[in-house]
Amino acid sequence: DSGVTQTPKHLITATGQRVTLRCSPRSGDLSVYWYQQSLDQGLQFLIQYYNGEERAKGNILERFSAQQFPDLHSELNLSSLELGDSALYFCASSGREGSYEQYFGPGTRLTVT
Amino acid sequence: GQNIDQPTEMTATEGAIVQINCTYQTSGFNGLFWYQQHAGEAPTFLSYNVLDGLEEKGRFSSFLSRSKGYSYLLLKELQMKDSASYLCAVRDANAGNMLTFGGGTRLMVKP
Repeated sequence: DSGVTQTPKHLITATGQRVTLRCSPRSGDLSVYWYQQSLDQGLQFLIQYYNGEERAKGNILERFSAQQFPDLHSELNLSSLELGDSALYFCASSGREGSYEQYFGPGTRLTVT
Repeated sequence: GQNIDQPTEMTATEGAIVQINCTYQTSGFNGLFWYQQHAGEAPTFLSYNVLDGLEEKGRFSSFLSRSKGYSYLLLKELQMKDSASYLCAVRDANAGNMLTFGGGTRLMVKP
């Protein structure tokens, strides 16, 4: 158990809908990272937050957004969902800025039908 | 940008040794990581190299050559539970220290 929690574990929704994925980092970790993993793309970095502020952005679509709240939990919002958005979405956290090890949550499996 | 290459699949025998290679190209190298991922589960941290040389941790060792843009993960005394994907990831100081992952190497351990 990494100490990172994600909810829900599974999510099934229809095209065009909007969903919110939630992540709670390890106690004391200030950074939260979001990744998407689909079968044909591998693990893709989406976005990083550090202590409430956006720190780095990867290949995140404009239909997707994220935020980190004062209690350090984070939410990833996915809107206008398409079939190709079906994937595992992982959240990871790490300690102080520069800390090298990222701890991954169990992931949310999103299925868009 | 970054380019990370590792073999797609490898097969090895229980009790044997296997070496998984990773080559990378990056403008601001700031560390290389190896993660293990069982199917449908979260990646788990195995090792971190930022200086040249070998880091040993139990049955797993990781090697780095920065001048060659090359790393390998060495797994000794293979066990059936080692069947998993092994992900090489590079941290880029010129990209906010974000991690870029390779496609992963799926290792199958046979009896």
